[in-house]
Amino acid sequence: QKEVEQNSGPLSVPEGAIASLNCTYSDRGSQSFFWYRQYSGKSPELIMFIYSNGDKEDGRFTAQLNKASQYVSLLIRDSQPSDSATYLCAVLNTGGFKTIFGAGTRLFVKA
Amino acid sequence: GAGVSQSPSNKVTEKGKDVELRCDPISGHTALYWYRQSLGQGLEFLIYFQGNSAPDKSGLPSDRFSAERTGGSVSTLTIQRTQQEDSAVYLCASSFLPGLAKTTDTQYFGPGTRLTVL
Repeated sequence: QKEVEQNSGPLSVPEGAIASLNCTYSDRGSQSFFWYRQYSGKSPELIMFIYSNGDKEDGRFTAQLNKASQYVSLLIRDSQPSDSATYLCAVLNTGGFKTIFGAGTRLFVKA
Repeated sequence: GAGVSQSPSNKVTEKGKDVELRCDPISGHTALYWYRQSLGQGLEFLIYFQGNSAPDKSGLPSDRFSAERTGGSVSTLTIQRTQQEDSAVYLCASSFLPGLAKTTDTQYFGPGTRLTVL
């Protein structure tokens, strides 16, 4: 079992729809969770981080965390073609010394 | 500097040659990470430096790979006797002390070095 698992996609949604990206992790003691966006040929950049169970909203983005289920998700409302990228889930492991990245989910937003 | 810098941006080398890749982290960041990303693939963790602690080398794929961090700042990743399978983008990231406070965990990535081994 991989430490951080994501569906590789591609996930295709029409413009204006909600894109839902999911991530599960194996280290039950993990405390910090991140979503990074990576455009083709570019480096990853942070979108959001979340530490507490529940939802955290930032503009069109909402991160959701459920520690009991070891599950974190990212919702993108009113998806735009410019949101087309690979989304990487990252988890800071127990002890807080190493961040583990998932393989990423490719998102395509069709105009 | 304003962000993480890496050099060179591109490196083409012949199989069997040694290469050195450099990373200059954000000033004040104590944690430094090296990752490798092959075309269309996710991030592969290579090595992690945290302050003066012994580095976490658990991700290095072979003994041809080594890294050092001098003075707690600049880091150099060295690949000896390069092979074609070493061709990838090598990304460096830095952060404040992870785990100390939740606001310090975010990693900031450099632009990467694209390595091509012919």
